[in-house]
Amino acid sequence: GQSLEQPSEVTAVEGAIVQINCTYQTSGFYGLSWYQQHDGGAPTFLSYNALDGLEETGRFSSFLSRSDSYGYLLLQELQMKDSASYFCAVKKDSSYKLIFGSGTRLLVRP
Amino acid sequence: EAGVAQSPRYKIIEKRQSVAFWCNPISGHATLYWYQQILGQGPKLLIQFQNNGVVDDSQLPKDRFSAERLKGVDSTLKIQPAKLEDSAVYLCASSNHDGTGSYEQYFGPGTRLTVT
Repeated sequence: GQSLEQPSEVTAVEGAIVQINCTYQTSGFYGLSWYQQHDGGAPTFLSYNALDGLEETGRFSSFLSRSDSYGYLLLQELQMKDSASYFCAVKKDSSYKLIFGSGTRLLVRP
Repeated sequence: EAGVAQSPRYKIIEKRQSVAFWCNPISGHATLYWYQQILGQGPKLLIQFQNNGVVDDSQLPKDRFSAERLKGVDSTLKIQPAKLEDSAVYLCASSNHDGTGSYEQYFGPGTRLTVT
């Protein structure tokens, strides 16, 4: 079987830092992706980690620990426009297909 | 660069009716995916095409769902007959794995299906 666990909701204040965790159990693992989805919108790609460590892209960073089957998305200097759902997704094999988690709804308050 | 196009954007049908969705991926993208996203959940892969061949359709309910990508470009997803539990957003995505290390999937705006 396979499962991905994420918190269902997170609330943070504008300008703050928030971390969204993802733990996974899958029969195969190539890497972990993160996608952002605004209400009524399409998912958009944020990051992909295949190796252990931190990847930084502007205000967003993503971390992976393969030994702990764990990753997180770090959002800094939060802005109101960051209010959205964030999904972690596992790439299980060489086919590029993704298994998505159920998502974390982030609410940024003024 | 034009994004992934999908139509229609919204569809309301009665149970037991049939419906079809259309997707045109980003030009040059060999891989095309159809996902089902039920409200409050993450996208669930239904089928993945590489050019006009099926790579994975293990989660496609084949008794009622079908999909094709005849010329390796655009694709259609059909449901016949529809059930109430098919109410969801149907997302199409495409990707191009040309050896540059990109793992990004590009999603279309989706078709919101309501089955009454």
